[in-house]
Amino acid sequence: DGGITQSPKYLFRKEGQNVTLSCEQNLNHDAMYWYRQDPGQGLRLIYYSQIVNDFQKGDIAEGYSVSREKKESFPLTVTSAQKNPTAFYLCASSAPTLDRSGGYTFGSGTRLTVV
Amino acid sequence: GQNIDQPTEMTATEGAIVQINCTYQTSGFNGLFWYQQHAGEAPTFLSYNVLDGLEEKGRFSSFLSRSKGYSYLLLKELQMKDSASYLCAVTGAGSYQLTFGKGTKLSVIP
Repeated sequence: DGGITQSPKYLFRKEGQNVTLSCEQNLNHDAMYWYRQDPGQGLRLIYYSQIVNDFQKGDIAEGYSVSREKKESFPLTVTSAQKNPTAFYLCASSAPTLDRSGGYTFGSGTRLTVV
Repeated sequence: GQNIDQPTEMTATEGAIVQINCTYQTSGFNGLFWYQQHAGEAPTFLSYNVLDGLEEKGRFSSFLSRSKGYSYLLLKELQMKDSASYLCAVTGAGSYQLTFGKGTKLSVIP
């Protein structure tokens, strides 16, 4: 079955540490996205990529970095420069056109906690 | 830019009907999505509207008025499992990104 996989489900980070969240999809989607979700804040866009080897900053990119070396993979690194990284992180992918076929397909999320 | 407003929380009784409203302001418009998200889980697709009118899918219906920048999600015959957050999202003209509202947390009570 096609889908999008995020790992790990739970992640703990020490102060000053970089951590990388994995996102893999086998849906043959060109576009991939990273969102952050905080209580009462909805989903906020961190980075997105519409094609391999290209990505763009979203609304809250500071303190994060990404790469898109393969179509299937879009890992997100939370750097030590991100001062408040505790949140629920969602990865999504989509076909080039967003329509009634469903828009985004989401991964199951990674809950990151600073300890 | 895009701005999306939804009520923060709603409560409804099992078996009843509830309407969740969404208003949006966008520089371009290419469609509106509704997603359901249970606590700690990924959002799942419910409906898509691009033309004015009502789209019905089982117990769930979604309405769009582009001239008013307004949509609603109608849930009929509420069940306890419908307790979740409901996210309204829009995509602008020529854009492949969705901008999400903050979500409406629906609590269904017996």
